[in-house]
Amino acid sequence: EPEVTQTPSHQVTQMGQEVILRCVPISNHLYFYWYRQILGQKVEFLVSFYNNEISEKSEIFDDQFSVERPDGSNFTLKIRSTKLEDSAMYFCASSYGLLSYEQYFGPGTRLTVT
Amino acid sequence: QKEVEQDPGPLSVPEGAIVSLNCTYSNSAFQYFMWYRQYSRKGPELLMYTYSSGNKEDGRFTAQVDKSSKYISLFIRDSQPSDSATYLCALNYGGSQGNLIFGKGTKLSVKP
Repeated sequence: EPEVTQTPSHQVTQMGQEVILRCVPISNHLYFYWYRQILGQKVEFLVSFYNNEISEKSEIFDDQFSVERPDGSNFTLKIRSTKLEDSAMYFCASSYGLLSYEQYFGPGTRLTVT
Repeated sequence: QKEVEQDPGPLSVPEGAIVSLNCTYSNSAFQYFMWYRQYSRKGPELLMYTYSSGNKEDGRFTAQVDKSSKYISLFIRDSQPSDSATYLCALNYGGSQGNLIFGKGTKLSVKP
């Protein structure tokens, strides 16, 4: 069964450093998402991406964040200058179409900012 | 008032019990309702998806939506220890908004 994959599973970085989190969505899916989950809190939407552009973003997704689909398979989330409060699990998700609200999540990348 | 409310539990039941998990929401504009299961330090796994009031059944799982009461439920029959996980409700407004609004999750423990 096809699945969303994410790398790395755990990333440790120092405050102020740039990090790139990588995702490979399900191959025939067209919509891609990033969510985050701070420990003990709810899963929160960050951004959605379709046709090589952002279709929606939350208040969390400020200028420090960017997303990119550098090739036909990868989808990345970049945090330019990490802060302690960026420590969280970051989940990538994909869905076949916007009107298909069934989103399939990857296993997550645990980001620890020290 | 929060958009989606979900009792975080924890909820502990004996093996074989029927489990009832619930979420309430405040905005009647929500159109799509999902239940995800999340094991510790893993990604959410889609269990059920529905968009209309009423019941939808899949094996031991039944999702129920009552739009008039803004109340959704997930029932698990014949619960198993492997069902021990956190269950998240997730709602969507539909239209061009693809983002999911999650509840905080209910942690379920099924004891053998």
